[in-house]
Amino acid sequence: DAKTTQPPSMDCAEGRAANLPCNHSTISGNEYVYWYRQIHSQGPQYIIHGLKNNETNEMASLIITEDRKSSTLILPHATLRDTAVYYCIVRVAGWIEYSGGGADGLTFGKGTHLIIQP
Amino acid sequence: DAGVIQSPRHEVTEMGQEVTLRCKPISGHDYLFWYRQTMMRGLELLIYFNNNVPIDDSGMPEDRFSAKMPNASFSTLKIQPSEPRDSAVYFCASSLVRYEQYFGPGTRLTVT
Repeated sequence: DAKTTQPPSMDCAEGRAANLPCNHSTISGNEYVYWYRQIHSQGPQYIIHGLKNNETNEMASLIITEDRKSSTLILPHATLRDTAVYYCIVRVAGWIEYSGGGADGLTFGKGTHLIIQP
Repeated sequence: DAGVIQSPRHEVTEMGQEVTLRCKPISGHDYLFWYRQTMMRGLELLIYFNNNVPIDDSGMPEDRFSAKMPNASFSTLKIQPSEPRDSAVYFCASSLVRYEQYFGPGTRLTVT
């Protein structure tokens, strides 16, 4: 699986957009980019995932560069409740298209500790 | 749906005692995962099941750890005998699609 690199910490002002970068320069063509976050004392929470097109849902947007070697998670209007550790994970898809077998769980790195400042 | 349910939320036990952690996955999900989180090692996958069958237990630290999934709505993680180094937060997660996992609130285990 491709290795990811994230800054250890970031600050963002409340109400502003939080942009969290992730480098995954060794990503393979069949690997997806997933983002999870973990708010203090809670279990990790799925945010979004994508392959090569930009994705948006009610929580965030995911921008993947054309060469797929990096991506950015965008929280459009950060609130204090968005303070958490954000994990960028690159894995082969587990969706029905995947036929490789040998399924795995998620491998969490150290992530980025995002602190939203009031 | 209530989400993934774990019990107990907190467990304090003495070294050598048996500990059983419980998990109820989201109804309809066919994957169930057990993770452990510590400050030193972060989040680690211990074992996962697909349709109640254990698929990969290579993350289970040693024979003192065992996990079962007798039916689609229940799983247990047992540690016997427990040791202080087993102190951690244990998370259960379930998914319908392998990597969109939904985590429970965790069980904080302290072994004294």
